[in-house]
Order: sequence, then structure tokens, then C-alpha cells
Amino acid sequence: ETGVTQTPRHLVMGMTNKKSLKCEQHLGHNAMYWYKQSAKKPLELMFVYNFKEQTENNSVPSRFSPECPNSSHLFLHLHTLQPEDSALYLCASSQERFAGATYEQYFGPGTRLTVT
Amino acid sequence: LAKTTQPISMDSYEGQEVNITCSHNNIATNDYITWYQQFPSQGPRFIIQGYKTKVTNEVASLFIPADRKSSTLSLPRVSLSDTAVYYCLDHSGGYQKVTFGTGTKLQVIP
Repeated sequence: ETGVTQTPRHLVMGMTNKKSLKCEQHLGHNAMYWYKQSAKKPLELMFVYNFKEQTENNSVPSRFSPECPNSSHLFLHLHTLQPEDSALYLCASSQERFAGATYEQYFGPGTRLTVT
Repeated sequence: LAKTTQPISMDSYEGQEVNITCSHNNIATNDYITWYQQFPSQGPRFIIQGYKTKVTNEVASLFIPADRKSSTLSLPRVSLSDTAVYYCLDHSGGYQKVTFGTGTKLQVIP
């Protein structure tokens, strides 16, 4: 048990659909992250939240819309996606990071998204 | 774009020691060196972290030379269950804007 849960584990959606991915962490962390992992490509950081505030947006298209209502929950709202958006979407959490501190992220199992 | 460099793949027989080296020439003074392990269809899992010299835990050892521009992850006596992708992280984009890179796919052979 990693302490980070993600739902759903699998999702198939059409390009005109709207869906949301949910992430919840039970570790008392204050930082949460969304990553995208496509086949044969490195893990790509998408968004970072610290204390519910977005602190990183790694040039992600607007069809991906994150939401962090509190430090324990993170959502990724999806709309008008493209087939190339099919990937494993991973959520992670960590203690908030400051200069000189150690760094460890705890990952959830991911949501396997297929866009048809 | 990832700024770490590590071998794309490695094969090893069970029971052998495996050493995976990563170069991270742009590491910042305050940054730690972190390694993760990822099994298929799972999220990455933290293995070990260090700043300099040597760090050892129940899973692995991490060797870091004085210039800190590279690091070597050492897995003692690997088993089939150690077959996974191992990532050396690059923190040079900022302390939370971490880059995972392509990783090293380790295949342990019986």
C-alpha cells in the first residue's frame, strides 16, 4: 500500500467526452503531482501543487485541467482529448520541498487512459 | 529534456551484483541524487537517495564521487523480482520540477 490511491484504474473515452481522474493521498503530504507516461517515453511532469496552490505547469495543453481542493486530493479534468493523449497518468505526493531538503515522492498505481 | 544519462538496458543473471551508473553534469549544489524503481503498469517507487560519498539501505547502495557529476546504484545479488526500470532523477529544473529521464531497463535472467 503506497498511501496514494487513484481512480479509475482504467478509462476509455472518446475525443468529445469529459472525464476526471482522481487522486487521494493518506500520507499527510502537502505537495501533489500529476505525471504522464506514454509508451516508450520518459515520465513527464505535468503539474505540481503545494499547499493547494499550483506551482508548476509544464506547458500542458489546456484540455488538461487540474484541481486541488485540499492537500489530500488532486483531480485532473479531461476534455476534448486526442488519441495521442492515451497514456498512464500517475499521481504522486511528497512533503513540501525547500532548498536543501531531501526529496521523495510517493506514487499511486496510475490510471490507464485510452482515447478513442 | 532530461539532463541525466544512463544506459538504456542491462541484463544480469540472478545472484549477481548489478551496478547502474548515471551522469548528471548539471546537478545543483543543494540537490540530492535520487533513484527510483518502476515495475510495469505501476508507479515508480523510491529506492535510495544521497548527497555525497556512499549511502546504503536494505535495498541498495549509492556511490557518489566527490564531484557529484555521476552516481552508481548498486543492487546486491539481484533476483528475478528486481527486473524493472531504474531511474536516476534530475533536479536541475528546480527542486520540484524533476525530470525522470529514460531510465535503465534491468532484465534479470534465471
